[in-house]
Amino acid sequence: RKEVEQDPGPFNVPEGATVAFNCTYSNSASQSFFWYRQDCRKEPKLLMSVYSSGNEDGRFTAQLNRASQYISLLIRDSKLSDSATYLCVVTPGKIIFGKGTRLHILP
Amino acid sequence: SAVISQKPSRDICQRGTSLTIQCQVDSQVTMMFWYRQQPGQSLTLIATANQGSEATYESGFVIDKFPISRPNLTFSTLTVSNMSPEDSSIYLCSVGTGEGEQYFGPGTRLTVT
Repeated sequence: RKEVEQDPGPFNVPEGATVAFNCTYSNSASQSFFWYRQDCRKEPKLLMSVYSSGNEDGRFTAQLNRASQYISLLIRDSKLSDSATYLCVVTPGKIIFGKGTRLHILP
Repeated sequence: SAVISQKPSRDICQRGTSLTIQCQVDSQVTMMFWYRQQPGQSLTLIATANQGSEATYESGFVIDKFPISRPNLTFSTLTVSNMSPEDSSIYLCSVGTGEGEQYFGPGTRLTVT
């Protein structure tokens, strides 16, 4: 099993819809979790941290499920500007990036 | 968050040559990181550069191939030595904690012919 796995997508979602994707991790000792966003030909940018109690920032909600070893990102009322690749980051003592999930918001 | 710049933004190099990438931060930071992102792939950590000590390399990366300097708390360089086409990639520096919260420079797009 890979250390961090993400569905590569692409997820093609109409504008205004809700979309969610997961990131699974293999090391149960992982302590820190994050979601990053990477636009085409740009550097990754930190989107949000994922806390044990979950984390909500506007239209974005991140959750952690330690029992099943995955984190999730939910985007409500999606906008065209949400189109990007979303990378999860897991830190079991070292920083590991997932390969990312590509999201296309369709007008 | 810190403002990070990298030079060059892109380069095309011949195999067998070396390229040094510079990373400048607008504030003093303890930890700086160097990553590689190959086409269609995610980011892979090359090494962690701390001021005043040798860089710590991840498995699969060695100092002879990727020498790193960290002369002060705002600057670092990564050299890609004796390049081959397999080194074609985007190289990014970042600052942040070792726990995963990272802020990235814009990257250097390297093509080796």
